[in-house]
This record gives sequence, structure tokens and C-alpha cells, in this order.
Amino acid sequence: AQKVTQAQTEISVVEKEDVTLDCVYETRDTTYYLFWYKQPPSGELVFLIRRNSFDEQNEISGRYSWNFQKSTSSFNFTITASQVVDSAVYFCALRSKGAQKLVFGQGTRLTINP
Amino acid sequence: DVKVTQSSRYLVKRTGEKVFLECVQDMDHENMFWYRQDPGLGLRLIYFSYDVKMKEKGDIPEGYSVSREKKERFSLILESASTNQTSMYLCAIRGTENRHTGELFFGEGSRLTVL
Repeated sequence: AQKVTQAQTEISVVEKEDVTLDCVYETRDTTYYLFWYKQPPSGELVFLIRRNSFDEQNEISGRYSWNFQKSTSSFNFTITASQVVDSAVYFCALRSKGAQKLVFGQGTRLTINP
Repeated sequence: DVKVTQSSRYLVKRTGEKVFLECVQDMDHENMFWYRQDPGLGLRLIYFSYDVKMKEKGDIPEGYSVSREKKERFSLILESASTNQTSMYLCAIRGTENRHTGELFFGEGSRLTVL
């Protein structure tokens, strides 16, 4: 069975602080894909990143970075120098190769206070 | 850009009513999905479709049905709405160009309240 756990239900920080959102996953498959999505107050989920199970390189995109570690089955997301516009619900998701669906975590509500 | 349009952003229905949630895509994508989002539970898959008239149950299909008569439109149907179906409903598509990698693109969601 596949499972994604985002243990942090809510996080609140002051603007310009760095913040890390945790994601732990479970799967028996050797080939799989991991995703992060952002859901701003408008409601639409916005795709942020996909990572393949065979590529453990960390990724950086501007203030966003992702740390994928197969040894701990984690795919954590860090926002550096957070801004109010980063306030949203963030979802981590998992898909096995050949599967149709994405399995989502419970989501983390991130609030950045000015 | 991929565009997924959900017909209603907010609906209020009464228990027992039949409810239709419509989702339309503007490209020729094969795979379409209906998810339900609830606080503390994340997104859960209700149904998906991989082609016209083809459908498969997701994790929580009970109380729902779907229809896909045309490739661009995927409808979620609540035959007799109940209060426990009050939720946010999200439609998503997977493009043919990312068939193997799997990322989904979502509509803005339909928030349904059943009284």
C-alpha cells in the first residue's frame, strides 16, 4: 500500500524566516514519482515539482528547495526567506510507475505573517 | 497552458437532491480525475477516466457516479446528496505529454454544501 504523511498540520512563521515542510512516504515499488503542490486561497492546486525515485539530487528553484532522501523515505520542501505570498496549503503526493492515481498527504497549512 | 474548468465554484444543495459537477478541459487529454478534499484527510480519489466512456473507481466511489460522453468533459454525479458529501471537489487532468511522469493539473475546485 502507498501512503504519504505530512505530520505538520499547520505552520506559522514570520516573514523572511526559513521554513521546512516535511513529507514522509511509504511504497514497495522501486520506481515512483514524488510531487509537491501548492494550494493558495483561490483553491486551485498548482504543480511545483516532480522527483523520480532514481534521481536523488536535491533541487533548487529560487527560494524553493527540495531534499529527497530514499534512505529515510522523505521528500522535504524548504522555503528560504519566506514571503506572505507563500501562505497556502502545501500537499506532497506519490505515484508509482504505471499507476493512474496520485496519493496525497494530508496537507500542511503554511501561514507567513508580515 | 493546460486549462481545467469546473462549472461551479460554490453550490448549496439539499439532502436528497441530484447534483452534477462538471469539468471541462481545453486540450485533447485522455486522463481525467475527480478528487475530494477534506481537512485533515488531504485529497482522495473518487473516480477517474482514461478515455471516453471508460471509467474506474478510485478509493471512495460510494455515493458517486461519473459520466464521460466526450473527451473534453468529465462529470461527477451525486445521485442523492447527503450531508457527508459536503466537501471541496477537485477535477484534474493528466496530459499525454506527461503520461509517464504523472503530474496532474487541477481546476479551481467546486465547494459543495449539502444542507
